[in-house]
Amino acid sequence: EAGVTQSPRYAVLQEGQAVSFWCDPISGHDTLYWYQQPRDQGPQLLVYFRDEAVIDNSQLPSDRFSAVRPKGTNSTLKIQSAKQGDTATYLCASSLTFNQDTQYFGPGTRLLVL
Amino acid sequence: QQQVRQSPQSLTVWEGETAILNCSYEDSTFDYFPWYHQFPGESPALLIAIRPVSNKKEDGRFTIFFNKREKKFSLHIADSQPGDSATYFCAASANTNTGKLTFGDGTVLTVKP
Repeated sequence: EAGVTQSPRYAVLQEGQAVSFWCDPISGHDTLYWYQQPRDQGPQLLVYFRDEAVIDNSQLPSDRFSAVRPKGTNSTLKIQSAKQGDTATYLCASSLTFNQDTQYFGPGTRLLVL
Repeated sequence: QQQVRQSPQSLTVWEGETAILNCSYEDSTFDYFPWYHQFPGESPALLIAIRPVSNKKEDGRFTIFFNKREKKFSLHIADSQPGDSATYFCAASANTNTGKLTFGDGTVLTVKP
């Protein structure tokens, strides 16, 4: 069974540039999560979906960040105008169902904003 | 206010010793407590988890001890091996926020041979 896949693995931007991250969850998993993990910190939930519906995006900086999962499978997280404070690893995770506890993480995208 | 706190930030033990990693939480509605480990350059992976119907959960060399009254739980790694060297994160979630994990900031464990 293939795991969670993410691309790109690395991104380097200048402040003000836009970037998109892509995630393909484990097949059959209906719940998808996006986390931000700053260096030397734990993952912090940004947004999560059940199928195509956003369940909670309260921690997503809505003025610059957006996330979609239009068909309830793959998902895209976009930063419209990156800031140096966005430097972090962006992790995607999925779980089998909304009530399933175990989350499986992808390899992450390391973002550096100069 | 950080809802899940870990200590120590870093821990070094000798091979064969028991490593003890600690976690505390604020929200009394939390009812699921996993530990994840993360090796350098890799993503977090679930190691072991507990629900507070029990105060102890064992899986091989890994044991979670849970104290609901004090809102604390710990991970004990018996017979530590150099391959256990990693960052360990505790986390918590509440049934009312299904799937929404709150992570601590991690403990960096180094096991010396």
